[in-house]
Amino acid sequence: DAKTTQPNSMESNEEEPVHLPCNHSTISGTDYIHWYRQLPSQGPEYVIHGLTSNVNNRMASLAIAEDRKSSTLILHRATLRDAAVYYCILGTSNSGYALNFGKGTSLLVTP
Amino acid sequence: DTGVSQDPRHKITKRGQNVTFRCDPISEHNRLYWYRQTLGQGPEFLTYFQNEAQLEKSRLLSDRFSAERPKGSFSTLEIQRTEQGDSAMYLCASSHPQGESPLHFGNGTRLTVT
Repeated sequence: DAKTTQPNSMESNEEEPVHLPCNHSTISGTDYIHWYRQLPSQGPEYVIHGLTSNVNNRMASLAIAEDRKSSTLILHRATLRDAAVYYCILGTSNSGYALNFGKGTSLLVTP
Repeated sequence: DTGVSQDPRHKITKRGQNVTFRCDPISEHNRLYWYRQTLGQGPEFLTYFQNEAQLEKSRLLSDRFSAERPKGSFSTLEIQRTEQGDSAMYLCASSHPQGESPLHFGNGTRLTVT
């Protein structure tokens, strides 16, 4: 399985943008880049996913490098409710959509 | 609320006992997944169903673990002869059949084996 590398933790101030990086140098051509987050005592929650082009939704933006070896999840204005563990995962229909989570990045948001 | 439902939320059992967890997916989702999560780690994939067919199993799923989805709706995960190392959060997720549909997770069943 292609692996991803994320920082263990990051800190942000409330109402400022947050850029969460993810390296995936062994990504294959069919791998989608998925982001999930997990709040304390809850199951993971889908954030966004993309293949090649940058993606935007109501929660976040996903910026994908041209060579697809890295990506960045962008939270435009962090709130205290965004404090969570963020997982960057590679997945494809060839793997039956069984996503393999790593340890993720723990985001701390301070007032 | 039509999200993924898991029951029970918490289970405490003695080593050697059998336990069974239930997952009710979102109704139109034909894909169902089981994951396990231990403290400080991300979720680890255990098994995957498409309708009633179990299509993939992780090597983590030892012969003490069995999962079923008899009519392609709800699923059960049974652990026989529980061990202390089985203590974890067991998460269920479901997804829509089309394309790279996102996984929708329940809030899990926390198992403690004493």
